[in-house]
Amino acid sequence: QVQLQQSGAELVKPGTSVKLSCKASGYTFTSNHMNWIKQTTGQGLEWIGIINPGSGGTSYNVKFKGKATLTVDKSSSTAFMQLSSLTPEDSAVYYCARSGSYVMDAWGQGASVTVSS
Amino acid sequence: DIQMTQSPASLSASLGETVTIECRASEDIYNGLAWYQQKPGKSPQLLIYNANSLHTGVPSRFSGSGSGTQYSLKINSLQSEDVASYFCQQYYDYPWTFGGGTKLELK
Repeated sequence: QVQLQQSGAELVKPGTSVKLSCKASGYTFTSNHMNWIKQTTGQGLEWIGIINPGSGGTSYNVKFKGKATLTVDKSSSTAFMQLSSLTPEDSAVYYCARSGSYVMDAWGQGASVTVSS
Repeated sequence: DIQMTQSPASLSASLGETVTIECRASEDIYNGLAWYQQKPGKSPQLLIYNANSLHTGVPSRFSGSGSGTQYSLKINSLQSEDVASYFCQQYYDYPWTFGGGTKLELK
């Protein structure tokens, strides 16, 4: 079955970067796009961007350009999201989600990021 | 960006009751709408796509309808396992955007 296994919780300091991972299994990694979504209590769910694992092509929500960088490693069927210049406003749960025919039909379990000094 | 306005923000209903959640888009999204269910501490799970298509394995008591800018999710014969938050999401245009969510509780 389709599984997206995300890396664990992170506690990071302001101004630093963090790289989250999402390992896919149960399907052909390059056959579906991968999305990243931010969830906070205050702002709800926000779509960060999407990557085509086959080509590496990306599309970002303008709000997250310069903040998030999406990459993949096809050899390990893993998608990555690097968040840079972290501030407390970046504290959230981040999800990866596969999209098939545009719809996000499988989600990772989420990774909590806490930005605090 | 397309704004998604979801109502109500919270809802209390009894077992066996029928509940309806509404979602309004700030412009026509041509049925490019999905509904997700999220239980506490879990990730969202797809229920409905293309406004009215039931995702594989989702119970038939869930249904979606609507067109243009107005969409709804209906849950027939509410079960205890339906207690969750529900979100709509448009994928007609980037950036994909979500409604603010509806928290469904048992009365």
